[in-house]
Amino acid sequence: EDKVVQSPLSLVVHEGDTVTLNCSYEVTNFRSLLWYKQEKKAPTFLFMLTSSGIEKKSGRLSSILDKKELFSILNITATQTGDSAVYLCAVKGGTSYGKLTFGQGTILTVHP
Amino acid sequence: NAGVTQTPKFRVLKTGQSMTLLCAQDMNHEYMYWYRQDPGMGLRLIHYSVGEGTTAKGEVPDGYNVSRLKKQNFLLGLESAAPSQTSVYFCASRTGGSADTQYFGPGTRLTVL
Repeated sequence: EDKVVQSPLSLVVHEGDTVTLNCSYEVTNFRSLLWYKQEKKAPTFLFMLTSSGIEKKSGRLSSILDKKELFSILNITATQTGDSAVYLCAVKGGTSYGKLTFGQGTILTVHP
Repeated sequence: NAGVTQTPKFRVLKTGQSMTLLCAQDMNHEYMYWYRQDPGMGLRLIHYSVGEGTTAKGEVPDGYNVSRLKKQNFLLGLESAAPSQTSVYFCASRTGGSADTQYFGPGTRLTVL
C-alpha cells in the first residue's frame, strides 16, 4: 500500500523565518511527487517533481526530490503571513488512473 | 474559465437522508476524482472516473455512489447519510495521458447529525 508521511504536522514561525517541510514516501512504481498549498478552500498546485536532485523554484518557494532516499523537501524563505496554510504532499504511483496518495499535511502558521 | 466548481458549498443532513454533490469542470478533462478530507488524515480517494460513462472505486467507497453521464460532470451520491460521512469533500480533475497534476474544486463541507 502506498504511503506518504509529512513532518512536522504543524509549525509556527515568525515573518522572515525560513522553513523546511518534509515528505517521505513509499510507493509502487513511483512516477511523480506533487506539492499543494491549501488555504481555506481548494488545494492549489505548487510543484511537480519527477527527477532526483533537480530543484524546482517559484519565488520564495523551492522543492527538491531524492528518489534514492524516498523523500522531498519544500523550502520557504523569508516567510510572510500569506504563507500560512496547510501544505500537502502527494505521490503518484504506477496506477493507470492517476491515483494520488496524500500525506496528512503540514499546518504552517506565520505570525507577524 | 471557471475551472472546477462544486455545489453546494455547505450542507447539513440528518442521519438517513440522501443527497447529491455536483462537480463540474470546464477544462475538457478526461479524469475526475472525489476525495474526502478529515482532520489528520489528508485526502482520501472515494471514487474516480477515467472518462464519460465510466466510474470506479477508490480507497474509501463504502456508503457512496457516483455517476459520470456527461464528461464535464461528476456526481457523488450519499443514499443514507451517516455521521461518519461528516467531512469536507473535494472534487478534482486532470487531463489524460502523462499529465499528473490534479486541479481541485473549492470543496463541500457536509455535516451529518
